[in-house]
Amino acid sequence: DTAVSQTPKYLVTQMGNDKSIKCEQNLGHDTMYWYKQDSKKFLKIMFSYNNKELIINETVPNRFSPKSPDKAHLNLHINSLELGDSAVYFCASSRPGTGNTEAFFGQGTRLTVV
Amino acid sequence: TQLLEQSPQFLSIQEGENLTVYCNSSSVFSSLQWYRQEPGEGPVLLVTVVTGGEVKKLKRLTFQFGDARKDSSLHITAAQPGDTGLYLCAGPEGNQFYFGTGTSLTVIP
Repeated sequence: DTAVSQTPKYLVTQMGNDKSIKCEQNLGHDTMYWYKQDSKKFLKIMFSYNNKELIINETVPNRFSPKSPDKAHLNLHINSLELGDSAVYFCASSRPGTGNTEAFFGQGTRLTVV
Repeated sequence: TQLLEQSPQFLSIQEGENLTVYCNSSSVFSSLQWYRQEPGEGPVLLVTVVTGGEVKKLKRLTFQFGDARKDSSLHITAAQPGDTGLYLCAGPEGNQFYFGTGTSLTVIP
């Protein structure tokens, strides 16, 4: 059973398009995240949701809009895609932060904007 | 933002060699974690260290948490090609995980 699954795995689209990435976790975790991994492999937090509520929004352009229909799902919608949005996007989940918790990641979605 | 700097950024070694990866911060963390990420996959947790000075061993991997809880190291003995991957340290704080800058390791057979 896949713990954190995100779709699609690959996404190639033209500038200006709107696209969505879906994420689901079956671990019963309350907290879900979106991370962006750039070409230098740096993992940067974008959003954090706890029990469907937005907790962290790290200076992400408002073209990126997360949506959590329930605590097992956290989707990411991106409007008006730009070349600089090309990256690998990871969904993750964890139990509420206690300092000793583990982040479980999906396989990532490689977004290429052309 | 709490910055975790890793060194080296890239490491290419022969099978059987030893290596050490460092993770440093100016901030104190309640715990530090090490993840390994293989190509096309998400990071997977290797270990969590929680006490200053703590040493944990996972087969050929040895992890240490600095006394001041600002740094950590990962030592691999007799590296194998299967150790190839991106190693990331991380500091879990509150509702997020701060990730290090990453060390890309290649072990050549």
